[in-house]
Amino acid sequence: AQSVTQLGSHVSVSEGALVLLRCNYSSSVPPYLFWYVQYPNQGLQLLLKYTSAATLVKGINGFEAEFKKSETSFHLTKPSAHMSDAAEYFCAVRLNNNDMRFGAGTRLTVKP
Amino acid sequence: DAGVIQSPRHEVTEMGQEVTLRCKPISGHDYLFWYRQTMMRGLELLIYFNNNVPIDDSGMPEDRFSAKMPNASFSTLKIQPSEPRDSAVYFCASSLFVPGANVLTFGAGSRLTVL
Repeated sequence: AQSVTQLGSHVSVSEGALVLLRCNYSSSVPPYLFWYVQYPNQGLQLLLKYTSAATLVKGINGFEAEFKKSETSFHLTKPSAHMSDAAEYFCAVRLNNNDMRFGAGTRLTVKP
Repeated sequence: DAGVIQSPRHEVTEMGQEVTLRCKPISGHDYLFWYRQTMMRGLELLIYFNNNVPIDDSGMPEDRFSAKMPNASFSTLKIQPSEPRDSAVYFCASSLFVPGANVLTFGAGSRLTVL
């Protein structure tokens, strides 16, 4: 069964530092992978998606993710964290029957 | 488009009462999903519809939960009777099937507190 695992429920970085949020997937076929962000008291918003067109995917707000088949990973990165990046981030995989399964989420804290 | 609209945004009720959550998906979207989010269990898929037809309701916790989609522009999630453990944020999301990858658009959520 396809699923995603997010490593680390909480990540804390200083403003200006690199952001790295980890996601590993399990899939017997090439997956469709997504990163969503949730700001406090809001619904989830799409950051970026991988659809096999390119292994390095650029999203909104300076985030990007790289699909690595050899490592079954789809980690989310941003070179320089901003205070406004503080939120919860979810990795997700689309299943063959079109529903979406989400990871447990990683809460990002950005320190001044 | 106004996006996915959910109501109510907040609901506080007492154990045993009936709760109805409502969702208006984005016009033209053919998939609708109901998720529940709690601290303990994260984001759980409850049920999803395709063209108003329930496709997978295996995530619905128990018979107290029911969901309907009478038409393409409206869906409800009902809990009867409600229990304190049902307290959570319930999200509705919709998407348009596109070969390649569906993108879900989420509503702002309905925060339910059952006392």
